[in-house]
Amino acid sequence: SYVLTQPPSVSVAPGETATITCGGDNIGNRGVHWFQQKAGQAPVLVIYNDRARPSGIPVRFSGSNYGNTATLTISSVEVEDEADYYCEVWDMSSDLVVFGGGTKLTAL
Amino acid sequence: QVQLQESGPGLVKSSETLSLTCSVSGGSISGYYWTWIRQSPGKGLEWIGYVSYRGITKYVPSLKSRVTISLDTSKNQFSLRMTSVTAADTAVYYCVRLRDRILEPWGQGTLVTVSS
Repeated sequence: SYVLTQPPSVSVAPGETATITCGGDNIGNRGVHWFQQKAGQAPVLVIYNDRARPSGIPVRFSGSNYGNTATLTISSVEVEDEADYYCEVWDMSSDLVVFGGGTKLTAL
Repeated sequence: QVQLQESGPGLVKSSETLSLTCSVSGGSISGYYWTWIRQSPGKGLEWIGYVSYRGITKYVPSLKSRVTISLDTSKNQFSLRMTSVTAADTAVYYCVRLRDRILEPWGQGTLVTVSS
């Protein structure tokens, strides 16, 4: 089955840029989606189809996807961005949804 | 704006059957895929499966033998049924719409605890 690998944690100071990676075999050939989950809340879609932002998501959230790594970038991180972030793809070969293990973002 | 709301027992006894319903408001259940996702305490997201508007289902292999997802278009609802539950099935269960392979929106989630 298809596997997505994320770092368990990322720490940045407020105002800096956070980069969260999602590794997978030829993931650049798949559409990647990113979810933000704050404590005690349901996940929220922040990036879809590699780089598109849903309405209401701040412009400081951006995404890219190439080769074996997809990346979620959060510019000028704010304390409110502290959350768990999950990448997700649809594995067409198995017709299954696959999530990465999640990355905890801490704004120091 | 489509909204989803999970409902069902918050406590299920070990070896019994877990049953949850997701009510869809603000839009029709027809024309989309509908999924269940769960999250064990302190863990990541686990996709359970989907049912399409035509009633076609797909489940994650690890749960396939115990899970059924079904649609009730007359009530604009879909449901999850999981048999022979154990403590490992204790989790927050989310219902989510799947459109163009994008999971959105999500329900608020409902905690199901399996007791011995």
